[in-house]
Amino acid sequence: DIQMTQSPSTLSASVGDRVTITCRTSQTINNWLAWYQQKPGKAPELLIYKASTLQSGVPSRFSGSGSGTEFTLTISCLQPDDFATYYCQQYSSYSLSWTFGQGTKVEIK
Amino acid sequence: EVQLVESGGGLVQPGGSLRLSCVASGFTFSDYWMSWVRHAPGKGLEWLANIKQDGSEKYYVDSVRGRFTISRDNANNSLYLQMTYLGVEDTAIYYCARTVGATPFDCWGQGTLVTVSS
Repeated sequence: DIQMTQSPSTLSASVGDRVTITCRTSQTINNWLAWYQQKPGKAPELLIYKASTLQSGVPSRFSGSGSGTEFTLTISCLQPDDFATYYCQQYSSYSLSWTFGQGTKVEIK
Repeated sequence: EVQLVESGGGLVQPGGSLRLSCVASGFTFSDYWMSWVRHAPGKGLEWLANIKQDGSEKYYVDSVRGRFTISRDNANNSLYLQMTYLGVEDTAIYYCARTVGATPFDCWGQGTLVTVSS
């Protein structure tokens, strides 16, 4: 199985900050990487897919980048609604486990 | 409106079984791969299983393979997860989600809570 290493596990930031979350995979995944936002008591919501494609309706302050085995989610100007937990996920093949990263909780500083 | 609605969760004793359902509406269910994902208390998300549009391919994470069975009924726009030999570690909120092409999990249900406890 492909292993995921997401960092940091917790991030303290202020409104207006630029925030970066990193996800590393144990093997190349041809950019089959997604990012999700989850708030307490809610289902996750898709933010980014194919490493850098913004899901319809997601604010442009969210962006994804990377290739190979290292990927990044950036929030350019943190808003109050962005305090949540973020997960990366690889989905490189239907026949392989679609693993999630461990999650990054973005907290108010 | 695109919607997924899970049901069937509840309290079950260790070693017991449970069948979860997910009913889809607002889109052509038979066009999509479908998956089950769970979120255990205090832990991260875990993908459990997926099933091809026609049900001909099914894949599972190691932790549930042999205990859980994913299935679907396209005529009734329904996805199922039969869970057996449940343990306390299976306590979680269970979500169904859809996938098409390069877009994973763009729609999720609200989740159904499974509690395994004596």
